[in-house]
Amino acid sequence: AQSVTQPDIHITVSEGASLELRCNYSYGATPYLFWYVQSPGQGLQLLLKYFSGDTLVQGIKGFEAEFKRSQSSFNLRKPSVHWSDAAVYVCAVVTNTGNQFYFGTGTSLTVIP
Amino acid sequence: DAGVTQSPTHLIKTRGQQVTLRCSPKSGHDTVSWYQQALGQGPQFIFQYYEEEERQRGNFPDRFSGHQFPNYSSELNVNALLLGDSALYLCASSLRPAGAYSNQPQHFGDGTRLSIL
Repeated sequence: AQSVTQPDIHITVSEGASLELRCNYSYGATPYLFWYVQSPGQGLQLLLKYFSGDTLVQGIKGFEAEFKRSQSSFNLRKPSVHWSDAAVYVCAVVTNTGNQFYFGTGTSLTVIP
Repeated sequence: DAGVTQSPTHLIKTRGQQVTLRCSPKSGHDTVSWYQQALGQGPQFIFQYYEEEERQRGNFPDRFSGHQFPNYSSELNVNALLLGDSALYLCASSLRPAGAYSNQPQHFGDGTRLSIL
């Protein structure tokens, strides 16, 4: 069965510091991969997605993610975090044979001044 | 360009009651998916509607049912509510079923917060 693991429930970083959020998936083939951001009480906003091609994808708000097939990972990165980046970040996969999305439990990001 | 809109934003029900949640997809989208997000958890897929039919279903009991209308809007119905049904219910829309058959991502609404007393 497909699954998505986000090992870090909560991360705290200082404003201006770099950020890396981890996401690992379990699936036999290469899935389609997504990162979403969720602000309190709101739905999910798509940050970036990977379907094929270049394994380093650029998203909105200065985020990027790298797909590593050998590690079944799709980690999200940002070189310099802003206070407005504080939110919950959710990784998702959808298999290339179906339309069902599988979400991780999310990583809550706190940014301290 | 209106995004995905959900109503109501908050709802309080008691055990055993029935509830209907509503979703209007983003303009130009024809597929609606519903998700349940319990506190501290990621969204769990309930089902997806396309061309007024349920196309895929997650691991949810028959108490959860839905409908899609000709204008692509959708309803989620939950019968015999349980305390464990308390969650944020998210609706997402896409052009065609998102994922394998389309590289169009899903767009999410802000959700309906359902509390069961």
